[in-house]
Order: sequence, then C-alpha cells, then structure tokens
Amino acid sequence: DIQMTQSPSAMSASVGDRVTITCRASQGISNYLTWFQQKPGKVPKRLIYASSSLQSGVPSRFSGSGSGTEFTLTISSLQPEDFATYYCLQHSSYPFTFGPGTKVDIK
Amino acid sequence: EVQLVESGGGLVQPGGSLRLSCAASGFTFSDYFIDWVRQAPGKGLEWVGRNRNKAKSYTSQYAASVKGRFTISRDESKNSLYLQMNSLKIEDTAVYYCARSTDSWNDVLDFWGQGTLVTVSS
Repeated sequence: DIQMTQSPSAMSASVGDRVTITCRASQGISNYLTWFQQKPGKVPKRLIYASSSLQSGVPSRFSGSGSGTEFTLTISSLQPEDFATYYCLQHSSYPFTFGPGTKVDIK
Repeated sequence: EVQLVESGGGLVQPGGSLRLSCAASGFTFSDYFIDWVRQAPGKGLEWVGRNRNKAKSYTSQYAASVKGRFTISRDESKNSLYLQMNSLKIEDTAVYYCARSTDSWNDVLDFWGQGTLVTVSS
C-alpha cells in the first residue's frame, strides 16, 4: 500500500498568513492527488484535484502543486473560514490512502 | 442538484451485521463510481471501497481492513448503493460517507453525502 504523510500535523496561523501544507507519498503517484478540507462536524469538501486543478467554487487563494512523491497545498492569504483540517488523498492505486491530516487553527 | 443521502447507521453488537444505503439524485447514477469513506470518532479519513459504474460492470474494490466482511452493491432502478457490513468489529465504529467519482483516475470524491454513524459496541 502507498503510505501518505503530511507535515505539519498541526499549525497555528493568523488571518492573512501564507500557509503551506506538504503531503508525501511513499512511492510515485504521478499527479493522482486530491486535497480536501474538513471543518468540525462537517462533511469533507474537495478543494484541489489532479494535484493542481482548483475545484469549481473554491476560492483562488487555494492552490496545489507537485508530482511524483511530493505535493503542496498553499493558502495564499488565510481567511477566518479556512481554519479546518486538510487531508490529501492518493488515488494512483488501490487501496486509496489518505494522509493523516493537518489541522490549521487560529494563532 | 446533486444529492447523496446515507442511511441505515445505528448501534450493533460486535459480530453483527448492518446494511447502509446511499440514495443518489441529481445526476446520472449509472455513469458514476461511488466510494465509501469512513471516519472513526476524532480520527482521520479512511477509504473503505468503491463500486464502479455500469460501463465497468458495477465491479467493486475494497480496503484490506474490510475485504471479505463488507460488500458493495448497487440497485440501478432505485438509484441506490448499499454497503453490507458483516462480522462487525469495534474498530468499524465510524461515520460512513458515500461520495461520487467519475471514471477518470484523476476525478475522485467530488461530492459527498452527509454521512451515517455506525457504532459497534456490546
């Protein structure tokens, strides 16, 4: 199985900060990588698919990059509604595997 | 409007069975793959399995943790997907979500249902 790691596991940030979250795969997955946002008690929401494609309706401050084994999710200017947990998912091969999540909270 | 509505969750004893349903509307159900993803209380997301679309003969794929115990099936006439869970273990306790995917490897889990809670406890 492909193992996914995320760093950091948690972070505190302020409104307006630039935030970068890294996701690493234990083997190459091309660009078969999706990012999700989940707020407490809510359903996960897709933000980025195919590593760098922005989901319709998602603000342009969110961006994704990477290929192979290293990927990043960047929030260019953190907004109050962005405080949440972020997960990456590899879907290059079965079983699909999620990263453990990165919790972004208010500094 | 795309909708996925899960139902069937509840409390079950270890070793017991439960069947979850995922009712779809607002899109051509037979064209889409449907995945199950679960989340144990306070934990991260775990992919459980998927049912492919009609073009792929509605075949299924499972995570190792549930293979042989869980079965995914689909009723095209009811626009519904089912997750039959047998030999349930305490560690199967989670919110179970269904989510749709296209048949593209790069277009997965674009829309999720609200989830249904399964609690396995004596």
